Amino acid sequence: AQSVTQLGSHVSVSEGALVLLRCNYSSSVPPYLFWYVQYPNQGLQLLLKYTTGATLVKGINGFEAEFKKSETSFHLTKPSAHMSDAAEYFCAVSVNTNAGKSTFGDGTTLTVKP
Amino acid sequence: NAGVTQTPKFRILKIGQSMTLQCTQDMNHNYMYWYRQDPGMGLKLIYYSVGAGITDKGEVPNGYNVSRSTTEDFPLRLELAAPSQTSVYFCASSYSRADTQYFGPGTRLTVL
Repeated sequence: AQSVTQLGSHVSVSEGALVLLRCNYSSSVPPYLFWYVQYPNQGLQLLLKYTTGATLVKGINGFEAEFKKSETSFHLTKPSAHMSDAAEYFCAVSVNTNAGKSTFGDGTTLTVKP
Repeated sequence: NAGVTQTPKFRILKIGQSMTLQCTQDMNHNYMYWYRQDPGMGLKLIYYSVGAGITDKGEVPNGYNVSRSTTEDFPLRLELAAPSQTSVYFCASSYSRADTQYFGPGTRLTVL
């Protein structure tokens, strides 16, 4: 079975500062890793994903994440935060077996201060 | 291409009532999922389907039922609603297993 842990339920940064949202996973087989973003009163939408290949993955809105197998991590970063980045972010892991069900972290709420 | 649509957007139920949450996708995805999201929590999988006629339980199936008679539709049935079922419900679909999931806008359900 797979699991995912997001460190920090709330992260606050100033506009223009680095954004770092942490995600660690557990999986007995090679994982597929995802970051989703949820804006208020909306469904989740994909930011980026890692399946195979290049371990540094670039997504929408300037976000990127690096798959580090040795650290079982998939942290999300953005060099310079915008006010529009304020949202809830979910890390998810799935494996290509067992119907490919995804397991989601509890989410991290990102606040961006002017 | 509407993606994943859900109806209704909001609903208030009395204890013991029943209702069906509708979910439709127009992307010809085989895989469909129902989640519930409680405040401060991640998404918990209720039921999923890998194709028409095939459904299976997720992490929190008690009090819910599903059916999948077509590729497009995956309704979620609540029987005998309870306050513990107050939550936001999301339907999602994906083209293949372990792939990106596309989410609907959610249904906010309150049981009083």
